[in-house]
Amino acid sequence: DGGITQSPKYLFRKEGQNVTLSCEQNLNHDAMYWYRQDPGQGLRLIYYSQIVNDFQKGDIAEGYSVSREKKESFPLTVTSAQKNPTAFYLCASSTRLPGDEQFFGPGTRLTVL
Amino acid sequence: AQSVTQPDIHITVSEGASLELRCNYSYGATPYLFWYVQSPGQGLQLLLKYFSGDTLVQGIKGFEAEFKRSQSSFNLRKPSVHWSDAAEYFCAVGTPTGTASKLTFGTGTRLQVTL
Repeated sequence: DGGITQSPKYLFRKEGQNVTLSCEQNLNHDAMYWYRQDPGQGLRLIYYSQIVNDFQKGDIAEGYSVSREKKESFPLTVTSAQKNPTAFYLCASSTRLPGDEQFFGPGTRLTVL
Repeated sequence: AQSVTQPDIHITVSEGASLELRCNYSYGATPYLFWYVQSPGQGLQLLLKYFSGDTLVQGIKGFEAEFKRSQSSFNLRKPSVHWSDAAEYFCAVGTPTGTASKLTFGTGTRLQVTL
């Protein structure tokens, strides 16, 4: 089955540590996205990538980094510079056709202690 | 820049009753509009989208939405709600710039269904 996988589902880290969230898709989509979700705030775009080896900052990129070395993979690193990293993180992918919908993974809940 | 407003944070309806979730958007051109649903702790699933053409759009699970340009609205409706519809619903507007579909989401409406 085609889809998006995110691992792990739950992640705990100590304050000051960097942590990398995995996102893999087998939908053959060119574009991939990372969102952060906090209660009452909807989804906010962190980074997105339209093609391999290229990515752009979203609305809340500070304290995060990404890479896009393979079409299938778009890992997100939450660095120690992110002031409030505890949140639910969602990865998505889409074609590059205007108007095509984004497909979402199941999410990773990160808790920083 | 585009924006989306979902004025209702929380709605409670009885099973079998009709439902309307409101969505207003701000965007200078004709937008791409989406409704997604999210169960607790899960990812988002697309219910329906408006791209162009007929302003009344049918989606999955018996949902429909109507695009009204004059009101900048894209309200989601269902004639008879089922208990399994309890979830959070997000409206989103897409940027039709020829690049990948960058979306701006509303803050969501949580639907509770009473039996």
